[in-house]
Amino acid sequence: DAGVIQSPRHEVTEMGQEVTLRCKPISGHDYLFWYRQTMMRGLELLIYFNNNVPIDDSGMPEDRFSAKMPNASFSTLKIQPSEPRDSAVYFCASSHTEAFFGQGTRLTVV
Amino acid sequence: AQSVAQPEDQVNVAEGNPLTVKCTYSVSGNPYLFWYVQYPNRGLQFLLKYITGDNLVKGSYGFEAEFNKSQTSFHLKKPSALVSDSALYFCAVRDIRENNNDMRFGAGTRLTVKP
Repeated sequence: DAGVIQSPRHEVTEMGQEVTLRCKPISGHDYLFWYRQTMMRGLELLIYFNNNVPIDDSGMPEDRFSAKMPNASFSTLKIQPSEPRDSAVYFCASSHTEAFFGQGTRLTVV
Repeated sequence: AQSVAQPEDQVNVAEGNPLTVKCTYSVSGNPYLFWYVQYPNRGLQFLLKYITGDNLVKGSYGFEAEFNKSQTSFHLKKPSALVSDSALYFCAVRDIRENNNDMRFGAGTRLTVKP
């Protein structure tokens, strides 16, 4: 297995634009997590899914953030509209017991 | 809800000396505990886990960790540090008792190993 695959690796966008981050989890894993990492706030859990069903989205900062998992092999995190304070590295991780992380998407909103 | 504390932002050790990175946790039920390492511009890499059984668990790159239930700790250790061990280390916990099975991370500890 190639591991957790995230795309794009880097994204630079203008404030107000829609941003979509993508994640392909490891096959057979039943949990999928989205995290955000910043220097100020560290690693924050945004939302997680179990068997494609969102279980806890209490970490999603605002209604501008949404996440979907239409099937076991794909998830998206969308920010609409984006703001400069959304700039961060966004990680997707999949898990059965331990979590395996993707390489992350570095988002810069200017 | 479960939580993790890493009391040290920074740990400095000399190459060849033993290292310890501290972690304490809080859960309602039985914990799954994990250590991860992050190198610059990379994702987190899994090092080791405690699920059940022996309190001393061994992981990748010569690292080990000891589960101490009475002290609610899960400190990461290595007998002899290498310069290449310099990185950001994260402790994480999952509470397997609750229906909410998320994974929470500590704030991270930056380990610097000096030659």
